[in-house]
Amino acid sequence: DTGVSQDPRHKITKRGQNVTFRCDPISEHNRLYWYRQTLGQGPEFLTYFQNEAQLEKSRLLSDRFSAERPKGSFSTLEIQRTEQGDSAMYLCASSYREFWTGELFFGEGSRLTVL
Amino acid sequence: AQSVTQLGSHVSVSEGALVLLRCNYSSSVPPYLFWYVQYPNQGLQLLLKYTSAATLVKGINGFEAEFKKSETSFHLTKPSAHMSDAAEYFCAVSLNTNAGKSTFGDGTTLTVKP
Repeated sequence: DTGVSQDPRHKITKRGQNVTFRCDPISEHNRLYWYRQTLGQGPEFLTYFQNEAQLEKSRLLSDRFSAERPKGSFSTLEIQRTEQGDSAMYLCASSYREFWTGELFFGEGSRLTVL
Repeated sequence: AQSVTQLGSHVSVSEGALVLLRCNYSSSVPPYLFWYVQYPNQGLQLLLKYTSAATLVKGINGFEAEFKKSETSFHLTKPSAHMSDAAEYFCAVSLNTNAGKSTFGDGTTLTVKP
């Protein structure tokens, strides 16, 4: 299967700890997006990359959040000094700019629980 | 800027009954519109999309949606519900000028009663 993969699928951490999520997009996709989804809501845009360049960040992305895509392939999303309000599903999606047809291809998400 | 409103956070139908999930959008330019389905603890899967071709769009699993510009709507329908349709459904809007980002509604949870 060559879909979008995310790791870990579940993470439980204590408040104040750092966590990192990884996303591997579909191999030919040059755009990569991070979304956050809380219970009862739709996904909210956090940030996106085109190749290795981070081109947009939502104001939802506080200073404690950082995302990278160092070689234009996989991406990491790190949350420092986690807070209980960070508990959510973190979704990664990818698409191909040159043949953009609008839809996003999502991974299965990384669920974060902050105790 | 674009936005999506899904009317009804929960919809319950009997197996075999019509499914109707409502979505209205707001966009300053012609939008691309999507319906995604999400099963528990999974990511989103595309059901169907409107990209300015035919206004009646057919998707997977027997779902279809009709783009109505005058009503700014993109409602999702299925003639006969199946138990396996129970899931959460999200309407989304995207603009070709907006780096491919999608803006999602808050979702509608569909329950199918036997």
